[in-house]
Amino acid sequence: KQEVTQIPAALSVPEGENLVLNCSFTDSAIYNLQWFRQDPGKGLTSLLLIQSSQREQTSGRLNASLDKSSGRSTLYIAASQPGDSATYLCAVRGYSTLTFGKGTMLLVSP
Amino acid sequence: GAGVSQSPSNKVTEKGKDVELRCDPISGHTALYWYRQRLGQGLEFLIYFQGNSAPDKSGLPSDRFSAERTGESVSTLTIQRTQQEDSAVYLCASSLVGGAGSGYTFGSGTRLTVV
Repeated sequence: KQEVTQIPAALSVPEGENLVLNCSFTDSAIYNLQWFRQDPGKGLTSLLLIQSSQREQTSGRLNASLDKSSGRSTLYIAASQPGDSATYLCAVRGYSTLTFGKGTMLLVSP
Repeated sequence: GAGVSQSPSNKVTEKGKDVELRCDPISGHTALYWYRQRLGQGLEFLIYFQGNSAPDKSGLPSDRFSAERTGESVSTLTIQRTQQEDSAVYLCASSLVGGAGSGYTFGSGTRLTVV
């Protein structure tokens, strides 16, 4: 059974810092990995999708990497802003499963 | 449509009543998931539909929960004889294909409160 772990569970940083969120998974037989953002009381917004054959994806200030063999992904956020405050979720896709980590709650203070 | 649509957005029901939650996936998306998120908790898988294949119901917590989907269209999640522990946000997601390649798009969820 796939298990996804996200570290840290919570992170508080001042505006402008670069930061890294970590995601690890136990079964490397995945199709892809997706990072989501969830604002309080809202649904999930997709940030980045990395196919199993890819090493990284970039969108604006966000960069996600994938090392499938070691079961790890990182989400790098450059020059953080207060608007980045949210919970970040990592989800790993197997054949018929989409397994989520518990998320990292990020707070960026002005 | 442009996104995954869920209705109602909020539902308050009395303990013991039945509720029906609706998900309209993106047109043409063959794969559809239902998840539950209790307050302060992670996403809990409930059920997965892929085209006309038999659904993966392994996440349904009890026989009070059931879901239907006809082909690649609307899905409904039904909770019978609701209990207070059913209070949660119910999220639906759809994807273009069931196998590799596509990411999932989530709806905004239905917040269910059982009083």
